[in-house]
Amino acid sequence: NAGVMQNPRHLVRRRGQEARLRCSPMKGHSHVYWYRQLPEEGLKFMVYLQKENIIDESGMPKERFSAEFPKEGPSILRIQQVVRGDSAAYFCASSSLPGENEQFFGPGTRLTVL
Amino acid sequence: DQQVKQNSPSLSVQEGRISILNCDYTNSMFDYFLWYKKYPAEGPTFLISISSIKDKNEDGRFTVFLNKSAKHLSLHIVPSQPGDSAVYFCAASGQGGGTYKYIFGTGTRLKVLA
Repeated sequence: NAGVMQNPRHLVRRRGQEARLRCSPMKGHSHVYWYRQLPEEGLKFMVYLQKENIIDESGMPKERFSAEFPKEGPSILRIQQVVRGDSAAYFCASSSLPGENEQFFGPGTRLTVL
Repeated sequence: DQQVKQNSPSLSVQEGRISILNCDYTNSMFDYFLWYKKYPAEGPTFLISISSIKDKNEDGRFTVFLNKSAKHLSLHIVPSQPGDSAVYFCAASGQGGGTYKYIFGTGTRLKVLA
């Protein structure tokens, strides 16, 4: 019973390039959440998706960031024209239900922007 | 605006003794609280949660206490073991912000000394 899978685990990009982070939720989970952890900080909520729907993207920066969770395949967090400030650990979590059910986290993708 | 605060960045405890990790929150709309443990280069792992209708929840060596009037919760680990050495994050969610949106503290690094 595989947990939440994220890939790549480490991603290095130069300024101006695009970063694509992938997340496969736990089997049976249809709710996906993305969080970002900057150095020395806690995790910050970015976006909540269900299959083919963005439910809440209130934590997403207004520009350059987008997320999707297609009917088939993993959820994708896309960062266009990356800047050094985007360097962080990006965690995906999934749950079977929203609300009072714990979210299970993946191992994270560590993005480094040179 | 840090709505969930973990004011102790680090804590050292002798093996076999009690570890007490503290967390304060400011938003009275929070009604569900969780503790996650995180090892380096891994995602957070769910430990224990508590709903605001309770003041205590116990699971093995882990007990969470909630004091709603003080807007304070704590995690007790008894007895502490070297394998408990990790960063512990407190998280909160509530109807006001969407129960799926976890607000995390900045973490407390626990070191259990053998």
